Amino acid sequence: DGGITQSPKYLFRKEGQNVTLSCEQNLNHDAMYWYRQDPGQGLRLIYYSQIVNDFQKGDIAEGYSVSREKKESFPLTVTSAQKNPTAFYLCASQSPGAFPFEQYFGPGTRLTVT
Amino acid sequence: AQSVSQHNHHVILSEAASLELGCNYSYGGTVNLFWYVQYPGQHLQLLLKYFSGDPLVKGIKGFEAEFIKSKFSFNLRKPSVQWSDTAEYFCAVNPSSNTGKLIFGQGTTLQVKP
Repeated sequence: DGGITQSPKYLFRKEGQNVTLSCEQNLNHDAMYWYRQDPGQGLRLIYYSQIVNDFQKGDIAEGYSVSREKKESFPLTVTSAQKNPTAFYLCASQSPGAFPFEQYFGPGTRLTVT
Repeated sequence: AQSVSQHNHHVILSEAASLELGCNYSYGGTVNLFWYVQYPGQHLQLLLKYFSGDPLVKGIKGFEAEFIKSKFSFNLRKPSVQWSDTAEYFCAVNPSSNTGKLIFGQGTTLQVKP
């Protein structure tokens, strides 16, 4: 089955620790995105990558880092510098040729930092 | 800054009632518009999209939306809701044809009472 997988579904960390969230897609999409979802705030863009070995900051990139070494993978690291890391994180992918740019979403990872 | 506003944060309806969820965006140029839905415990999925042509677009599960350019609006409608429509609904705008970035509204939680 084609799709996007995110692991784990739930993640718990202590304050001060970095944590990496996994996102893998087998849709052969070039573009991938990371969003953060908080109640009443919708989805806010953290980072995105339109091609391997290239990525751009989104609206709320501070305290996060990404890499894009392979087309199918776009891991997100939540660093200790992120002031409020507890949230639901969504990964999405997109085929640039599929105008008008529909995005496909993974199931999400709920991160709790205490 | 470009933004998307969803006026209703939490809507409660009885089954068979009609639904209209508001969505307005702030961008003067050409836009592509989307409504996504997140059912409890499921992936965010596309309900419908608009990029050109007939401003009244039909999506899955009996939903439709009307693009009114003069009002910068893309309201979602359904004539008769069902209990299974209980979900969170997000309006999203792609304000540029050069990139696939989406700007999401805050989301509307719809609760349908049986």
